[in-house]
Amino acid sequence: AQTVTQSQPEMSVQEAETVTLSCTYDTSESDYYLFWYKQPPSRQMILVIRQEAYKQQNATENRFSVNFQKAAKSFSLKISDSQLGDAAMYFCAYRSAGASGSRLTFGEGTQLTVNP
Amino acid sequence: NAGVTQTPKFRILKIGQSMTLQCTQDMNHNYMYWYRQDPGMGLKLIYYSVGAGITDKGEVPNGYNVSRSTTEDFPLRLELAAPSQTSVYFCASSGVARAKNIQYFGAGTRLSVL
Repeated sequence: AQTVTQSQPEMSVQEAETVTLSCTYDTSESDYYLFWYKQPPSRQMILVIRQEAYKQQNATENRFSVNFQKAAKSFSLKISDSQLGDAAMYFCAYRSAGASGSRLTFGEGTQLTVNP
Repeated sequence: NAGVTQTPKFRILKIGQSMTLQCTQDMNHNYMYWYRQDPGMGLKLIYYSVGAGITDKGEVPNGYNVSRSTTEDFPLRLELAAPSQTSVYFCASSGVARAKNIQYFGAGTRLSVL
């Protein structure tokens, strides 16, 4: 079974600064997807960014980028130019590429605080 | 764009009562899922479905039942509610193709069992 570990229960960053959230995972599969989801106080789960394991290029979405290290099984999220609206719980998640493994396995989350 | 719709948003149950959490999606997704999120924790999979008429257990299925009679609907049934089922419940759906396999979530149902 796959596991996802987020070792930072809480992080804080100053507005306009950069912060990196860590995620490691354990799998024996070679084809899979990794995701970062954001959960603000409204509880809505919002997809931030998605990485396909067979792609070497790190995914980027505006101010959000990842550092995907497949051999090290590491998948960190970098938030640049942090904004007050980035404050939320962030979850790292893993999904197998096979049709039977379509479920997401989540880490336990990192609570991000953005200080003005 | 409705996406994934969950009802109700909040519910308080007494121990031993039963209820059904409703979930509907309008994206014609084959896959649907139910997760629960306990305070300060990540989401854990309860049940999932790969299509109408097909369901399977996730990590934490005890105390729950599901059915999938249509592509759009995936209700979650709680029988004999227990305090341990106090949680926030999320329904999600996704497509099958690699380009469509992002899971989209509903807004959640906060359930308290007292």
